[in-house]
Parts: sequence; structure tokens; C-alpha cells
Amino acid sequence: EVQLMESGGGLVQPGGSLRLSCGVSGFTFSRNWMTWVRQVPRKGLEWVANIKDDGSEEYYVESVKGRFTISRDNAKSSLYLQMNSLRVEDTALYYCATGGTHDLGYWGQGTLVTVSS
Amino acid sequence: DVVLTQTPLSLPVTLGQPASISCRSSQGLVHSNGNTYLHWFQQRPGQSPRRLIYQVSNRDSGVPDRFSGSGSGTDFTLKISRVEAEDVGVYYCMQGTHWVTFGQGTKVEIK
Repeated sequence: EVQLMESGGGLVQPGGSLRLSCGVSGFTFSRNWMTWVRQVPRKGLEWVANIKDDGSEEYYVESVKGRFTISRDNAKSSLYLQMNSLRVEDTALYYCATGGTHDLGYWGQGTLVTVSS
Repeated sequence: DVVLTQTPLSLPVTLGQPASISCRSSQGLVHSNGNTYLHWFQQRPGQSPRRLIYQVSNRDSGVPDRFSGSGSGTDFTLKISRVEAEDVGVYYCMQGTHWVTFGQGTKVEIK
């Protein structure tokens, strides 16, 4: 069974930083792209970033470029999202998902990031 | 960016009756490799999204056969042949042909 578990969310002030983690099991992590998607509570879904299986390529939605960094550790089957210079509008539930640009097959339960003073 | 427009945004249905959700894309979704990366997700209350249908019409493992997907080009449809109580939630279409975008979501509720 494929399982994804996000962690690292919390309350942070505008301008602050957080690092999200996503542990994956039951899936060949090292051979697959991975993605972060966010959802403002009770609102829609927004793709945030993705990373190639070997970590050699990364892509970001325009609104987070230069502030967020996606990375992975294939030895630990783990995905990360370093979020700097956080803004109020970054407040959302952040999901990790398996897959790259073409499809997102499995999703975690999400970790909530709240940016507020 | 490719815009996906779902209709309706709210869908009250009677148990046992059919339901249909439309997803219209601002651009054609056939990839240069010939595949059409249009998928459907279900998000039950308090849960994360779960993929139901991938590449237009392929049901994911464990998805009841009352769910079906169809369409081509820019127009796609998700149908539920007979709505059950467990189908309540929000349904999203997603395209992965031109990066990734999602529809606004359609809330399915029981009348």
C-alpha cells in the first residue's frame, strides 16, 4: 500500500520560514517524480512545485519562485519543501503527491501552514 | 495557463440517481506523445484528494464501476451512474498535459 505522510506545518509569522517533509512508503520513490500541491481551506487546489526522480530538475509555480525550494533524499524516500519569506497568501494545506507534470497518483493527508502575525 | 472550467459547481442529487460533471479546457489536452492527461479526483469531507479516473476514462483500482469518465479534446465528463451516500464530496478535474492545473471543483451533495 502506498503511503505518504507530510509533516512540518505550523504557525509562522510573515517573512518566516518552514520546512515541510513527506515520507513515502510502498512506492518506488527513487524512480518517480514528486509534487507539492496546496489547498487553501475550503478552496481549490494549486500545484506548487515538482522535482524529477533524480533531483536534477525542479519546477515552481510563479508565485513561489525564489522563495520555495523543493528537494528530495532518495535514500530516505523523503521529499521536502523549504519555504522562506512566507506570506499570508501562502496559508494552505500542503499535500505531497506522487508523480510529475502528467499525473498525481497518490496523495498524503496534508500538513497545514498558517502564516499570520 | 490552461484553465479548466467545471460545471456545475454545486450538484444536489437524489440517492440512486445519476450525476454528471463537465470539465471544459481552454486548450486541447492531447499531449505530443498522443496521451490525454485529464484526470478526475474525489475529495470527501476531511480527506485528501483521491484519484478516481486517469487519462480520461481509466478507473483507478478499487473505484466502483458506477464512476466513468469520457471526453476528448477540450470537453470531458465524469458520470456517476447511481449516486450513493459515500459519493458526497468535491470532485476536481486536473490536466497534466500543459503543466498542472485543476478545475474549481464541483460539490456533490445529497438532496
